Amino acid sequence: SQQGEEDPQALSIQEGENATMNCSYKTSINNLQWYRQNSGRGLVHLILIRSNEREKHSGRLRVTLDTSKKSSSLLITASRAADTASYFCATEDSGAGSYQLTFGKGTKLSVIP
Amino acid sequence: GAVVSQHPSWVICKSGTSVKIECRSLDFQATTMFWYRQFPKQSLMLMATSNEGSKATYEQGVEKDKFLINHASLTLSTLTVTSAHPEDSSFYICSATSREMRETQYFGPGTRLLVL
Repeated sequence: SQQGEEDPQALSIQEGENATMNCSYKTSINNLQWYRQNSGRGLVHLILIRSNEREKHSGRLRVTLDTSKKSSSLLITASRAADTASYFCATEDSGAGSYQLTFGKGTKLSVIP
Repeated sequence: GAVVSQHPSWVICKSGTSVKIECRSLDFQATTMFWYRQFPKQSLMLMATSNEGSKATYEQGVEKDKFLINHASLTLSTLTVTSAHPEDSSFYICSATSREMRETQYFGPGTRLLVL
């Protein structure tokens, strides 16, 4: 199964700056999702973008999807120290059963107060 | 809404013992539950997909006799690591979804297993 690749692997920014994380994948997808994981905890669903959508917003989050390039980006605007976490993209692959997700390797974001 | 719990949150056991991890959907009926394994600083690897009332579907390379999964009700799935060995030490995370929730999975807080 294909796996998404996020870049950068780690990102350190100052509070108030914007953070951009990218994700690439390899096969056809039904949707792409972004999740957040605080250290040693479970994942929290952030946003889902379907294959026929190009951009989606949720609060300070902006997600784009380019199916021709098989890539997505997550932008967090006006970052806060509380945004410090690992961020994973996950794809629901076309043809996969039961809403299975394939996760990328994640970007570790550190927001410095 | 859409809360998933896991129990225990961490467990230390001796090599050769079996460990059971519970995953519960607290406020919805989960027709499908997933079990993942995560090594330090790595991504989540899907181990198996569990549909209520049927046998789990295991991913390639996951030993079904080693990792026993039971999804006996719409709110509970269990993962039993049988005859655990140190290499089974990991962070195990479950997630749950339903037909109404469609694509979104709701994750439990994870269980950290350390096998001595």
